[in-house]
Amino acid sequence: AQTVTQSQPEMSVQEAETVTLSCTYDTSESDYYLFWYKQPPSRQMILVIRQEAYKQQNATENRFSVNFQKAAKSFSLKISDSQLGDAAMYFCAYRSATRSGGSYIPTFGRGTSLIVHP
Amino acid sequence: GAGVSQSPRYKVAKRGQDVALRCDPISGHVSLFWYQQALGQGPEFLTYFQNEAQLDKSGLPSDRFFAERPEGSVSTLKIQRTQQEDSAVYLCASSLGTLIIRGGRYEQYFGPGTRLTVT
Repeated sequence: AQTVTQSQPEMSVQEAETVTLSCTYDTSESDYYLFWYKQPPSRQMILVIRQEAYKQQNATENRFSVNFQKAAKSFSLKISDSQLGDAAMYFCAYRSATRSGGSYIPTFGRGTSLIVHP
Repeated sequence: GAGVSQSPRYKVAKRGQDVALRCDPISGHVSLFWYQQALGQGPEFLTYFQNEAQLDKSGLPSDRFFAERPEGSVSTLKIQRTQQEDSAVYLCASSLGTLIIRGGRYEQYFGPGTRLTVT
């Protein structure tokens, strides 16, 4: 079974600075998707960024970028120019891309709470 | 609607009561997931529908949990004889395409959740 580990329960950053949230995962598969989701206090979870494992290029969405290290099974999220609205829980998630059994079931980490100081 | 909606947003139930949680997915979305999110945890998979078919219910914690999506749109998660350990936020998510084939449209849109407190 796949596991997703977020070792930082909480992170803090000053407004306008850069912060990196870490995520590692364990899998024996070579084809999969990785995601970062943001869950603000209102609890509506939204997709921040996604990465397909077969793509070597790191995904980028405006101020959000990832550092995908496939061999190390690491998938960190970098938030540049942090804003007060970035404060939220961030979840890393894994989903297999293979067609087998329950492989479409996403596995989520326990989350990292990001605090942004003005 | 513009997004996934869930009702009620908050539910307090006495132990032993039955509850029903509703999810309205985005119109036209084929796939629908239910998740349970305990305090301080990530979402845990409960069950998956493709249209009206419940393809996977392996995450339902006991036979007290039952989910349906009879017309392939609105879904209801029912919990019978609620217990304190059922207290959690129940999230619903929908996706335009099926997730069970390679390359399927995989982006899930989440609802705001229903916070269930069992006293």
